[in-house]
Amino acid sequence: DARVTQTPRHKVTEMGQEVTMRCQPILGHNTVFWYRQTMMQGLELLAYFRNRAPLDDSGMPKDRFSAEMPDATLATLKIQPSEPRDSAVYFCASGLVLGPETRNEQFFGPGTRLTVL
Amino acid sequence: KQEVTQIPAALSVPEGENLVLNCSFTDSAIYNLQWFRQDPGKGLTSLLLIQSSQREQTSGRLNASLDKSSGRSTLYIAASQPGDSATYLCAVIKGTGRRALTFGSGTRLQVQP
Repeated sequence: DARVTQTPRHKVTEMGQEVTMRCQPILGHNTVFWYRQTMMQGLELLAYFRNRAPLDDSGMPKDRFSAEMPDATLATLKIQPSEPRDSAVYFCASGLVLGPETRNEQFFGPGTRLTVL
Repeated sequence: KQEVTQIPAALSVPEGENLVLNCSFTDSAIYNLQWFRQDPGKGLTSLLLIQSSQREQTSGRLNASLDKSSGRSTLYIAASQPGDSATYLCAVIKGTGRRALTFGSGTRLQVQP
């Protein structure tokens, strides 16, 4: 049963603390995306990797957010220091891009619900 | 900048009705369009994907159409059921460059038994 997994599912932390969210993409997929969902802004892209290389992180506040792919089976999103405005649901998605005719369908994980007090 | 709009924002219908959800996008140069379903507190489930060269896709009671030139897509749900109650999101990928999704704000559907 191939699916994207994310940990933790819920995280409550205090302002100023470091938060690390993890994602395991579907085995064989070569693209990974981090999205953030809030009531006010909806779903927005934070970062995008292909073959573990970061292609776009323009949606991410660079001073506090960082995204990495230590290996093909793990993507991480780190916030340091966290702030109350970071409270949101963070989704990871993965897909397979082989060439210009690829479907580019993205499959989403269950999300990490982050609350920063 | 690509903008995606979904109308209506919310919809309540009695069970058994056929219904149409609308999605429009400002830049017609898209690579594909994907419809998702999101249940409260859950992740996104992919329903249908239409590539830019296609006009429609069907899965069970769902049919999605794409009119790229006018920047519109519709999701048709036949014989709605209470289990269809969820938020439906439309998202597009640009024709060139990055392959990330740009989402609409969703249509919240309630099907009354």
